[in-house]
Amino acid sequence: NSKVIQTPRYLVKGQGQKAKMRCIPEKGHPVVFWYQQNKNNEFKFLINFQNQEVLQQIDMTEKRFSAECPSNSPCSLEIQSSEAGDSALYLCASSPGQYSNERLFFGHGTKLSVL
Amino acid sequence: AQKVTQTQTSISVVEKTTVTMDCVYETRDSSYFLFWYKQTASGEIVFLIRQDSYKKENATVGHYSLNFQKPKSSIGLIITATQIEDSAVYFCAMREENMGYKLTFGTGTSLLVDP
Repeated sequence: NSKVIQTPRYLVKGQGQKAKMRCIPEKGHPVVFWYQQNKNNEFKFLINFQNQEVLQQIDMTEKRFSAECPSNSPCSLEIQSSEAGDSALYLCASSPGQYSNERLFFGHGTKLSVL
Repeated sequence: AQKVTQTQTSISVVEKTTVTMDCVYETRDSSYFLFWYKQTASGEIVFLIRQDSYKKENATVGHYSLNFQKPKSSIGLIITATQIEDSAVYFCAMREENMGYKLTFGTGTSLLVDP
């Protein structure tokens, strides 16, 4: 069973509404990832963190997407103004992060539906 | 740019037979890591097996093994003695050592194991 906890499992929003989802990484894992998986099974990397610092992220020039991993709090991914095209499964994953060949541990995801 | 391609959209096999799933990748990095994950009907993503680019020997874990053909940039997944519960979507993924922790995924192959 996954030890990466994502909430909520399902999120339904209207267009223009804010959508926020949370992730608690596996204990002891400092590296956290967010991916978007669309209905065609395409994975889109969004951002990753090591502890509270952003390591890599896509160009979020629209600024609708924001993410953070504060210390002693769940990580979060927020979409400021949801669009229909944002409907997808948002996956959080964590990793011990010490070596490049380490696998990711995934949560069950948050399924976002934008009506 | 890094790219992972899975051309088989779906495969159907009879229980207890062997199945091979294809995956080809593109990279300019001399050091990289190749992973296979499976996503069950519940959405859970589970790590299966990994191949490090510098290792010549094909990785094997349980009834999963890899066919690593480096000159062809190919990493096939072989499942022997398939079981009903192997029915899932299988994703190939790659991490390049010089690209940080980011993982690039293929679009998956859906496996259906019939009794």
